[in-house]
Amino acid sequence: GDKVKQSPSALSLQEGTNSALRCNFSIAATTVQWFLQNPRGSLMNLFYLVPGTKENGRLKSAFDSKESYSTLHIRDAQLEDSGTYFCAAEATANTNKVVFGTGTRLQVLP
Amino acid sequence: EAAVTQSPRSKVAVTGGKVTLSCHQTNNHDYMYWYRQDTGHGLRLIHYSYVADSTEKGDIPDGYKASRPSQENFSLILELASLSQTAVYFCASSGDNQDTQYFGPGTRLLVL
Repeated sequence: GDKVKQSPSALSLQEGTNSALRCNFSIAATTVQWFLQNPRGSLMNLFYLVPGTKENGRLKSAFDSKESYSTLHIRDAQLEDSGTYFCAAEATANTNKVVFGTGTRLQVLP
Repeated sequence: EAAVTQSPRSKVAVTGGKVTLSCHQTNNHDYMYWYRQDTGHGLRLIHYSYVADSTEKGDIPDGYKASRPSQENFSLILELASLSQTAVYFCASSGDNQDTQYFGPGTRLLVL
């Protein structure tokens, strides 16, 4: 919760537009993971990041450990992108024990 | 095929009763985790395990026990279920300590 803050908490987008989600950390995060929880409740992994950037299709994520934040950019949003996006930060290196943020609820509108 | 499965998918339990949630993975992963998710919130780590026959406390272990009898199986045990343990419980696995976590479908637990 407080150790990993996500913004915005909720967001509505028109189909075809772009957006950026953000996580700020009050812990010394060593790695970051991003997940999407779809409306049925299933959790899907999107990215596993060490400091740097990764791209996968219409999604791009960056992690800056020095400035303690991570971003997730969604390009050309589609209806199936709707759901809740969670970031999770690893606070102790090489443990994969992560702390989750409270999520950004995204609704893509036709 | 789903690589992380959970059973049961939903359960209604009575206060003070014993509840066992089971998780099975076919990923050949060493790391397994149990989280709970409360409505409108993120996930919180209850217990995790690096290797069979060993478990570690997560961030909210009180009221829960865990058991890892084999690499594939990881159970969460509520010896005396309480109303506050009503939540959705997720199991996850990862290959090592530098791998993303793969989640099961969740178990919805209602304690009455």
